[in-house]
Amino acid sequence: AQKVTQAQTEISVVEKEDVTLDCVYETRDTTYYLFWYKQPPSGELVFLIRRNSFDEQNEISGRYSWNFQKSTSSFNFTITASQVVDSAVYFCALGWISSGSARQLTFGSGTQLTVLP
Amino acid sequence: ETGVTQTPRHLVMGMTNKKSLKCEQHLGHNAMYWYKQSAKKPLELMFVYSLEERVENNSVPSRFSPECPNSSHLFLHLHTLQPEDSALYLCASSQDHRDAYEQYFGPGTRLTVT
Repeated sequence: AQKVTQAQTEISVVEKEDVTLDCVYETRDTTYYLFWYKQPPSGELVFLIRRNSFDEQNEISGRYSWNFQKSTSSFNFTITASQVVDSAVYFCALGWISSGSARQLTFGSGTQLTVLP
Repeated sequence: ETGVTQTPRHLVMGMTNKKSLKCEQHLGHNAMYWYKQSAKKPLELMFVYSLEERVENNSVPSRFSPECPNSSHLFLHLHTLQPEDSALYLCASSQDHRDAYEQYFGPGTRLTVT
């Protein structure tokens, strides 16, 4: 069975601090994808990144960076120099193929990030 | 309109009512999804449609009835709901349910069952 665990339910930081959101996943598949989505107060989930299981190279995009480690089944997300606009719920998700061949996403329960001015 | 739109944004209904949620995608995608998001819980996939055919149904109660008349529109018909069905219902679309993992989400419908 597929499972995604985001142990941090809520995190509060002061603006300009760095913050890391943890994500641990479980799967028996050898091919899978990992995602991060951002859900601002408006409710719409915004896609941030996708990584496949064969590419462990870390990625940086502006103030965002992702650390994928298969050895620990983790896909952590770091925001550098956080800003108030980063306040949102962040979801980690695991992409896999169901028995019906549909690509499915299993989501973690999310981490509420609050950045204080 | 761009992206994925959902109407209504908020809905309050009694347990004996019948209502429908609507989702429309303007991305030219072939696959559409319904998710349920309850407080403090992970998003739960409810249904997957590809080219108007249902390809996944994740053990959803029959009081939720999906309809996909074409690849741009997806409905969720609701009847005889329970208070525990109160949640945010999110619609998403992707290029194809077999080839693309990236899903684009609408803003959701906040449903309250009284």
